[in-house]
Amino acid sequence: AQTVTQSQPEMSVQEAETVTLSCTYDTSESDYYLFWYKQPPSRQMILVIRQEAYKQQNATENRFSVNFQKAAKSFSLKISDSQLGDAAMYFCAYSWYGGATNKLIFGTGTLLAVQP
Amino acid sequence: DADVTQTPRNRITKTGKRIMLECSQTKGHDRMYWYRQDPGLGLRLIYYSFDVKDINKGEISDGYSVSRQAQAKFSLSLESAIPNQTALYFCATSDRQILYFGPGTRLTVT
Repeated sequence: AQTVTQSQPEMSVQEAETVTLSCTYDTSESDYYLFWYKQPPSRQMILVIRQEAYKQQNATENRFSVNFQKAAKSFSLKISDSQLGDAAMYFCAYSWYGGATNKLIFGTGTLLAVQP
Repeated sequence: DADVTQTPRNRITKTGKRIMLECSQTKGHDRMYWYRQDPGLGLRLIYYSFDVKDINKGEISDGYSVSRQAQAKFSLSLESAIPNQTALYFCATSDRQILYFGPGTRLTVT
């Protein structure tokens, strides 16, 4: 069964610094998607970044980038130049490309605090 | 206007009561989902629907039922609420592997 593990329940970063959130997953599939979602105190779930497993190039969205290591089944999120608005719960998620349902399997989340 | 809306946003109910959470979307997506979020457990799938005639159980469907009234509407019911169903509930739609979430419903069962 596919699983997603986030081993850091909480992290803290100083404003303007860089932080990396870790995620590992387990799957026997070769084609899949990985996501990072952000949940600020408003509780809205917001897509931060998406990575297709067949792409070797790491996805980047402005200050957010990923380090995708397919062989190691690792998918970390790097936030550069951290801002106060980045404070949120971050969820890593997996979706199987061949699956008919588009179901996402989520990790348990990492709560990121940004210190001014 | 939001693409995925949920009503109510917050609800407190008593054990044994029947309650319905409603979800509407204007994104035109066929696929809709209900997830439940609990602290330390992430989000878990309750039910999902490919279209009006296709409804499927997720990993934690016991104690819940759903109705897909139209492409745009997907409701979640708790037939007899119990305290361990206290959680944050999300409706979502999907297109090309990306989920689009509603704002969530905070449900408390006393």
